[in-house]
Amino acid sequence: KAGVTQTPRYLIKTRGQQVTLSCSPISGHRSVSWYQQTPGQGLQFLFEYFSETQRNKGNFPGRFSGRQFSNSRSEMNVSTLELGDSALYLCASSRGPDPPNYGYTFGSGTRLTVV
Amino acid sequence: QKEVEQDPGPLSVPEGAIVSLNCTYSNSAFQYFMWYRQYSRKGPELLMYTYSSGNKEDGRFTAQVDKSSKYISLFIRDSQPSDSATYLCAMQNTGNQFYFGTGTSLTVIP
Repeated sequence: KAGVTQTPRYLIKTRGQQVTLSCSPISGHRSVSWYQQTPGQGLQFLFEYFSETQRNKGNFPGRFSGRQFSNSRSEMNVSTLELGDSALYLCASSRGPDPPNYGYTFGSGTRLTVV
Repeated sequence: QKEVEQDPGPLSVPEGAIVSLNCTYSNSAFQYFMWYRQYSRKGPELLMYTYSSGNKEDGRFTAQVDKSSKYISLFIRDSQPSDSATYLCAMQNTGNQFYFGTGTSLTVIP
C-alpha cells in the first residue's frame, strides 16, 4: 500500500514569493493534517482537513492556507514568503477525523528554504 | 508550561542496552498516546498507539502509560544501531488534536 506522498521534496524560494505544496494521503484515509517542523520549535500544527472542510487550524498567520479536494488530496499554500518560513513541511493522514484513529501516517515532507 | 514535556537528550547508549524515553503532560483531556520515530530527512513513523494506562508491547518496544501521574515511557530492549533516530511522543485528545513533544535524539553505538 502506497504511503503518504508529498511533492516536491525540496524547494528553494525567494522572500516575497509564494509556494504550493501537495500531499496525497494513503488510500482510504480521508483526514489530512499539515505540520511545520523546525529544529527550535519542533512540530507545529498548521491545519486539519476532512471531507474538504477545515476542521482545525493552528496558530499561524493568514499567509498559510490549505485546501482538500474530493479525492482527499490536499495542498497548502504560503504566500509572501519570509525567511522564517524555512522548515520541513509534513503532511499526515489518518483513517478518520475522530479518535481512536490510530495516529498519523506522515509523508517524508517538503523541505522549504527561503532565501 | 508546555502541555507536553520531553527531554531532548541527546542520549547515547551501547548496542544491546535498554533505552528508556519519557514524556510528561499536563492536560487530563489527553486520552490517546503515541510514540513516533523519525530518521534524518524523513517524516515521523508511528511506533506505538495506546489509549489506556498500562503496558503495550510490540517486539523490542514497550510503551507504558501512567495516566494518574501523566507520564508515558517507551522502552527499547536490545537496542540496535538502526534504532538511532529522534523519538517523538504525542498525545491526542478526543477532539482529534495532537500535541507533540520536541523529540529525544538517540544514538546506539555499535
